[in-house]
Amino acid sequence: DVKVTQSSRYLVKRTGEKVFLECVQDMDHENMFWYRQDPGLGLRLIYFSYDVKMKEKGDIPEGYSVSREKKERFSLILESASTNQTSMYLCASSVLRGGTEAFFGQGTRLTVV
Amino acid sequence: TQLLEQSPQFLSIQEGENLTVYCNSSSVFSSLQWYRQEPGEGPVLLVTVVTGGEVKKLKRLTFQFGDARKDSSLHITAAQPGDTGLYLCAADSGSARQLTFGSGTQLTVLP
Repeated sequence: DVKVTQSSRYLVKRTGEKVFLECVQDMDHENMFWYRQDPGLGLRLIYFSYDVKMKEKGDIPEGYSVSREKKERFSLILESASTNQTSMYLCASSVLRGGTEAFFGQGTRLTVV
Repeated sequence: TQLLEQSPQFLSIQEGENLTVYCNSSSVFSSLQWYRQEPGEGPVLLVTVVTGGEVKKLKRLTFQFGDARKDSSLHITAAQPGDTGLYLCAADSGSARQLTFGSGTQLTVLP
């Protein structure tokens, strides 16, 4: 069974804190993605990576950074959390070729207070 | 970034009714995917369509890709409460490795 695992289902953090969201996949996929999901806005791409130590900005990268030190792990970092970063965060992975199925984790509901 | 518009945004129907939801864009896609997301979970792929005019059936769900590969529809026959969820379309333009997602249709099927 293929699996994308996000480290936390729910997180509550204070404004200004540094926040790490971790994602691990066991499918040996090249591509990994971080999306945020807000009501009425769908899934918006924050960052993606198609190889170890490679990263590319998505549509809304401001306020976020990422790290991919190993193929199976992709981390999303909020350097200084703000209340407008309260959201559902979804990690996904896929094989290198474009247009293929994306496998998602269960999501992390982050609340910044 | 290409824009995918889904309609309706919300749909609430009784068990046994039929429904159609739509995904539209002004851009041409090399492929289009439909996902369903249940509360508290990530989206799960239902189908991928790649050929203009293509129709795929998955039990009571029928997916169609427009002839010009700019739009798609999902038709559910005799909806059941288990069909409740957020239906998302996602498109690949062919030039990038990532998918662009629509904003989704939230479907509620009442028993």
